[in-house]
Amino acid sequence: NAGVTQTPKFQVLKTGQSMTLQCAQDMNHEYMSWYRQDPGMGLRLIHYSVGAGITDQGEVPNGYNVSRSTTEDFPLRLLSAAPSQTSVYFCASRQDTSRNEQFFGPGTRLTVL
Amino acid sequence: DQQVKQNSPSLSVQEGRISILNCDYTNSMFDYFLWYKKYPAEGPTFLISISSIKDKNEDGRFTVFLNKSAKHLSLHIVPSQPGDSAVYFCAASDSGGSNYKLTFGKGTLLTVNP
Repeated sequence: NAGVTQTPKFQVLKTGQSMTLQCAQDMNHEYMSWYRQDPGMGLRLIHYSVGAGITDQGEVPNGYNVSRSTTEDFPLRLLSAAPSQTSVYFCASRQDTSRNEQFFGPGTRLTVL
Repeated sequence: DQQVKQNSPSLSVQEGRISILNCDYTNSMFDYFLWYKKYPAEGPTFLISISSIKDKNEDGRFTVFLNKSAKHLSLHIVPSQPGDSAVYFCAASDSGGSNYKLTFGKGTLLTVNP
């Protein structure tokens, strides 16, 4: 199993550009989520999904969209990038909504100029 | 408001000694707690967890203690090894809340000196 994969590893955007961060898992996990990590802020939940076709907002959803058309994929879309979205983004998955531990991807480092 | 607090941004210990990382929480509805370890340029990896029905959980060199009355948990690493040097995140969830979302602390950077 590849686990949780994320692409790209690094990305530089200009203010106002849009892009999609890709996340995929091959563990048949129902629950997937996106976090951002900022210095001194820990990990903050952006959006999450409890299964294909079902998504919900986390702690910091503004400026981001998600969709879950398949169990495997959970892309994160930045609609109009802002410097405040400069961060490291982590995708995570877990088997279901029980209290199992989450598996994280390697992260995408995004810089918005 | 920060519901999970790791008040020590960093901790430095000698190899072979005990490392104690602390975490406090304010939400009394939290009933499941996890510790994650993160190396630079990698995603966090699960380390150990504890349910609120227990006060201790042990896995090899790692032990987590939970004091519900004080809303405090701690991670003990004995003996500490240089490879344990990483950022450690405490996380908590509420089984009665929405889909077991995790709330993370800000992390503690542990440095184990040879």
